[in-house]
Amino acid sequence: QQPVQSPQAVILREGEDAVINCSSSKALYSVHWYRQKHGEAPVFLMILLKGGEQKGHDKISASFNEKKQQSSLYLTASQLSYSGTYFCGTENGGSQGNLIFGKGTKLSVKP
Amino acid sequence: NAGVTQTPKFRILKIGQSMTLQCTQDMNHNYMYWYRQDPGMGLKLIYYSVGAGITDKGEVPNGYNVSRSTTEDFPLRLELAAPSQTSVYFCASRGGGRNYGYTFGSGTRLTVV
Repeated sequence: QQPVQSPQAVILREGEDAVINCSSSKALYSVHWYRQKHGEAPVFLMILLKGGEQKGHDKISASFNEKKQQSSLYLTASQLSYSGTYFCGTENGGSQGNLIFGKGTKLSVKP
Repeated sequence: NAGVTQTPKFRILKIGQSMTLQCTQDMNHNYMYWYRQDPGMGLKLIYYSVGAGITDKGEVPNGYNVSRSTTEDFPLRLELAAPSQTSVYFCASRGGGRNYGYTFGSGTRLTVV
C-alpha cells in the first residue's frame, strides 16, 4: 500500500523550516527519503530502520516512529538548493527490499 | 565508477513497436529494480531482481519483461508498446543488503504515439 505524504507542496523563503510527513498503513522495516530535482533521478538522502531512530546530516534530519508507522523529514534553515520533490519509500518486513514510494512533496525555496 | 547507466535517455515509439531499455551497474550490487514514474504518482515498481538469474514481478509488470543473466545488466523489454507505457523509466540498484539506499540511473523518457 502506497504511503501517504503530506503536504503535497510547500513554498518556503530561504532560512525557513519545513516538515514533510510520511505515513503507512502497514508495519514497516525501514523508511527511505529521496530528493528529486526536475528532470533528474531521485537521490538517496537517508534510511531509517525499524527500532525507531532519528538521523540527520547538515540541516536535514528525519525521525521514524515504528509504532505509528510514520516518518518525518525535517529541513531547517532551508537553502535554495533544497528545492525539489521529496519522496519517502517504505519497506515492509517481507518485501525482499522493495520500496513503495509515496507520491512526493514538492518543495520550493524562494530567495 | 559510473554507478547505474541507462540507455537511451529519450525514445519515441509507435504503438505496437517493441524496444529494450538498457541498465548496467558497475558497483557489484545484487539488488536491481525497474520503476516507472508518471506525473504526480510517485514511482511504481515494475520488476526487480535479487541476483543474477532471479527476477520477480513488482506492482505494475503487465506489458514488460526482464532478464538478469549477469550481476551488472538488467534490461527491461517492452513488447507491443501502448500509449499507457508513456512514462519515465528508472533503473536502480542496491548493495550491501536492505540497510542501504538505492542508486538510481538517470532515466529513460519514453513516449508512445
